[in-house]
Amino acid sequence: EVQLVESGGGLVQPGGSLRLSCAASGFSFTTYSMSWVRQAPGKGLEWVSFISTTSGSIHYAESVKGRLTISRDNAKNSLYLQMNSLRVEDTALYYCARDCGDYSFDIWGQGTLVTVS
Amino acid sequence: QSALTQPASVSGSPGQSITIPCTGTSSDVGGHNYVSWYQQHPGKAPKLMIYAVSNRPSGVSSRFSGSKSGNTASLTISGLQAEDEADYYCSSYRSSSTPWVFGGGTKLTVL
Repeated sequence: EVQLVESGGGLVQPGGSLRLSCAASGFSFTTYSMSWVRQAPGKGLEWVSFISTTSGSIHYAESVKGRLTISRDNAKNSLYLQMNSLRVEDTALYYCARDCGDYSFDIWGQGTLVTVS
Repeated sequence: QSALTQPASVSGSPGQSITIPCTGTSSDVGGHNYVSWYQQHPGKAPKLMIYAVSNRPSGVSSRFSGSKSGNTASLTISGLQAEDEADYYCSSYRSSSTPWVFGGGTKLTVL
């Protein structure tokens, strides 16, 4: 079964740090670019960050530049999001999503909740 | 940078057709054929329904279709069913430092 499972969310104070992880299974992780997308409580979707297959291309939303860092370990089939200098407005459910091409995301995890308070 | 513009809500009766518009600019919707649509039921992860403006992933009902005219993309759902009640989000590639942008979402109510 193709699956993405996020972990690492939790409650953190403003200015604190968290590291999110996303474990991929059921597909060839090394051949897909990946993204993080977040959803604040009761709000819409917001794209956060993208990483290409070899980590050679990385992009961030303006709202997180300089504070969040995306990375991946293809040997471990895992995607990461290092979150530093967290703000109250970073509170959201964070999804990892597989980029299937054409700038679309075809597989999503169940999300991990980050609460900054 | 602003999100794509979607109506907050739409509604329709079972069996009817509805259309959800998604308005952007020439830098995103109008300038590229990379519009996607996602369905999200409460408490669930989003599901890809349409990619590249009008293409359906395997397993998505043919009742769902996508189109684009100028800076506005549209999702049409025909033969509305109760299970179609959900939030729908459009997304587009954008020529900027932030390559992906979502719409604010539309809540579909099946009456």
